[in-house]
Amino acid sequence: GAVVSQHPSRVICKSGTSVKIECRSLDFQATTMFWYRQFPKQSLMLMATSNEGSKATYEQGVEKDKFLINHASLTLSTLTVTSAHPEDSSFYICSAKGQGANNEKLFFGSGTQLSVL
Amino acid sequence: DAKTTQPNSMESNEEEPVHLPCNHSTISGTDYIHWYRQLPSQGPEYVIHGLTSNVNNRMASLAIAEDRKSSTLILHRATLRDAAVYYCILEKYYGGSQGNLIFGKGTKLSVKP
Repeated sequence: GAVVSQHPSRVICKSGTSVKIECRSLDFQATTMFWYRQFPKQSLMLMATSNEGSKATYEQGVEKDKFLINHASLTLSTLTVTSAHPEDSSFYICSAKGQGANNEKLFFGSGTQLSVL
Repeated sequence: DAKTTQPNSMESNEEEPVHLPCNHSTISGTDYIHWYRQLPSQGPEYVIHGLTSNVNNRMASLAIAEDRKSSTLILHRATLRDAAVYYCILEKYYGGSQGNLIFGKGTKLSVKP
């Protein structure tokens, strides 16, 4: 099946710094990727839809200037948490829609645990 | 998208079958039923999906009620590795999955040795 790789798996940063998370589709092209956030013991919350070559679409309540998304190629989307604060500490997960016979499935990265001190 | 209702948690014994229920009484004709699961500290993984007919794959079976207002995910022989949160999600299709799935709280499955 299709593989989505997400890096880093864990990051600790100081308050006020920016953190970049990468999401790569390893064996397929992903024109659309999705970014989710998950707080402890809660479900995944969709943050934004990342479109290759165009601006991301953000869900209501998600600050686009704080969570910068770049999807410059068919296999890579990045999420940058700018000026991170402790309340941004969360598990961030990306996903990509499969192609061909897999176009009815989503493939998820393994997630990035962000801890902001 | 229509809402789904799942039990918060379920327990199973290893090597026994598990039936995970999902109610979706407001499902529409174009809604597909998806199941994903999330192991601890991992991203979700696809389990199975269907529209009207029952579906089988190597991971599980999906039984869909005739009126489509409920479905059941069946794990034929639970293993310790099946302990996860299982999400039942409805999605409208427009020539394929749109991909922006809305996750509910899911069912946390515990498997006892």
